[in-house]
Amino acid sequence: KAGVTQTPRYLIKTRGQQVTLSCSPISGHRSVSWYQQTPGQGLQFLFEYFSETQRNKGNFPGRFSGRQFSNSRSEMNVSTLELGDSALYLCASSQKTGGRTEAFFGQGTRLTVV
Amino acid sequence: KQEVTQIPAALSVPEGENLVLNCSFTDSAIYNLQWFRQDPGKGLTSLLLIQSSQREQTSGRLNASLDKSSGRSTLYIAASQPGDSATYLCAVGSNDYKLSFGAGTTVTVRA
Repeated sequence: KAGVTQTPRYLIKTRGQQVTLSCSPISGHRSVSWYQQTPGQGLQFLFEYFSETQRNKGNFPGRFSGRQFSNSRSEMNVSTLELGDSALYLCASSQKTGGRTEAFFGQGTRLTVV
Repeated sequence: KQEVTQIPAALSVPEGENLVLNCSFTDSAIYNLQWFRQDPGKGLTSLLLIQSSQREQTSGRLNASLDKSSGRSTLYIAASQPGDSATYLCAVGSNDYKLSFGAGTTVTVRA
């Protein structure tokens, strides 16, 4: 069974540009979450989607947005990039099975803003 | 707001020694607790998931306990090996569909 796939793995962007990251969840998983990981702040929750609906959003500015498609694939977009947006962006998928909801993470997208 | 703390921040042990990693959280109304491993520059690998109704979970050399009333979880790794060197992250799941992470414990197992 294929795991969570994130593309691209690495990105270098210039301040002021925008970027779109993609996440394909494990087959059958309908929940997709996004996290930002930085050395200073650790792992912080961005948002969660289930069946194309955003159910929760973290404390990030409106420049960070996301969406989920009918096949459960998800994208997140960051507009007007700032140097502080440089981070590892991780996507997780999950599905409640037998009363258990285990999150599985992808390898991440390393975004560098210069 | 759920706050998750992991102590110690770093740990170095000789091969063969047992590892004890601690995680504490402030809000006992949790949905579940998950332990992850992260290698440098990589994603997170799920190690163990403990539901809020469970007290412990075991997988091979790994055992994790959960005490909701005291807001604590402990990950035990028996007979450590150099391949166990990594950062271990504790994540508390809540009913609002998000995980709250600790800062992690970086483990080095010396051969």
